[in-house]
Amino acid sequence: DAKTTQPNSMESNEEEPVHLPCNHSTISGTDYIHWYRQLPSQGPEYVIHGLTSNVNNRMASLAIAEDRKSSTLILHRATLRDAAVYYCILRGSGGSNYKLTFGKGTLLTVNP
Amino acid sequence: DAGITQSPRHKVTETGTPVTLRCHQTENHRYMYWYRQDPGHGLRLIHYSYGVKDTDKGEVSDGYSVSRSKTEDFLLTLESATSSQTSVYFCAISEGSNYNSPLHFGNGTRLTVT
Repeated sequence: DAKTTQPNSMESNEEEPVHLPCNHSTISGTDYIHWYRQLPSQGPEYVIHGLTSNVNNRMASLAIAEDRKSSTLILHRATLRDAAVYYCILRGSGGSNYKLTFGKGTLLTVNP
Repeated sequence: DAGITQSPRHKVTETGTPVTLRCHQTENHRYMYWYRQDPGHGLRLIHYSYGVKDTDKGEVSDGYSVSRSKTEDFLLTLESATSSQTSVYFCAISEGSNYNSPLHFGNGTRLTVT
């Protein structure tokens, strides 16, 4: 399985943008890039996913490098509620790709 | 929030006793999953189900069994609990199996085996 690499931790200030990086140099052409986050004492929560083009939704934006070997999750204005562990995950598009393999993620701290 | 209820939310049990955790969904999703989360290991898939009576093993299935007799319920059983099974267990559901079907997670069951 293609793996992802994320920094162990990052810090941000409230109301500032946050850019969370993810490296996936062995990504295959059919792998989608998914992001989940996990708030303290809760289950993981889906954030966003994409293949090649940048994606936006109400929670965040996903910027994907042209060669697809890296991506960045962008939180436009961090709030204290965004403090969580963020997971970057690759998921195939075809067949029975039931499993979602989580790495260790990035612990985001948001300072007031 | 996705309609997922895990029960119990907390449980303390003794080594060697059987334990069953329940995941109930109101979304009528086909796919259901059990994960465990431990410090230093992240989330690991135990078992999953792709329909009623259709289940398969994940990466850490030893010591666990599952059953799904109805679409809405997915049970995880520890036949004889061990201290290494102390963990937080998360149930997840998804409508489909492919990239376009995000997983939705419950809030977890914290199990302590003494």
